[in-house]
Amino acid sequence: NAGVTQTPKFRILKIGQSMTLQCAQDMNHNYMYWYRQDPGMGLKLIYYSVGAGITDKGEVPNGYNVSRSTTEDFPLRLELAAPSQTSVYFCASSEDRGPGNEQFFGPGTRLTVL
Amino acid sequence: DQQVKQNSPSLSVQEGRISILNCDYTNSMFDYFLWYKKYPAEGPTFLISISSIKDKNEDGRFTVFLNKSAKHLSLHIVPSQPGDSAVYFCAASPILLNSGYSTLTFGKGTMLLVSP
Repeated sequence: NAGVTQTPKFRILKIGQSMTLQCAQDMNHNYMYWYRQDPGMGLKLIYYSVGAGITDKGEVPNGYNVSRSTTEDFPLRLELAAPSQTSVYFCASSEDRGPGNEQFFGPGTRLTVL
Repeated sequence: DQQVKQNSPSLSVQEGRISILNCDYTNSMFDYFLWYKKYPAEGPTFLISISSIKDKNEDGRFTVFLNKSAKHLSLHIVPSQPGDSAVYFCAASPILLNSGYSTLTFGKGTMLLVSP
């Protein structure tokens, strides 16, 4: 089991460029999440998905889009990159939806927008 | 408005001693609490959790204590080891209402350094 994988590991974007952060999990989890972590801060939820075809906004969704066409993949799209989107992005998945469901995290993508 | 607070950005402890990491929360709807550990350049990994119906949960060297009236929880690591050096995040989850989905709210983290 590879668990949760994320690509790329690092990326530098210019203001206004777009990109897609890839996330895949091989644990057959229904629930998947995207977080961002700014320096010295906790993780903030951007979007989440409770299954293929179903997504919902988290705490900080502005500037991002997601899709979930398969159980395995949950890509995060940045359409017009801004310096405020410089952050480390983590994808996670979990088996269940209830309180305390253990979330498994990917290694992260470090994004810099200049 | 931070609902989960870890007021100590860092903690230094000697190997073999106890490490105590603290977490406070403000949202009375939180009823499940988790601790995650994060090494540099890696994603967080789940460490231990506790439900609000308990006041203590133990797993090997790791024990989490919950004081609901004070809205406070702490993670104790005994004995601390150099390999425990990492950032520890406290996270909280609210009561699941109807068919809703409960998300996690994270604190800012505490960096633990265990020196030999």
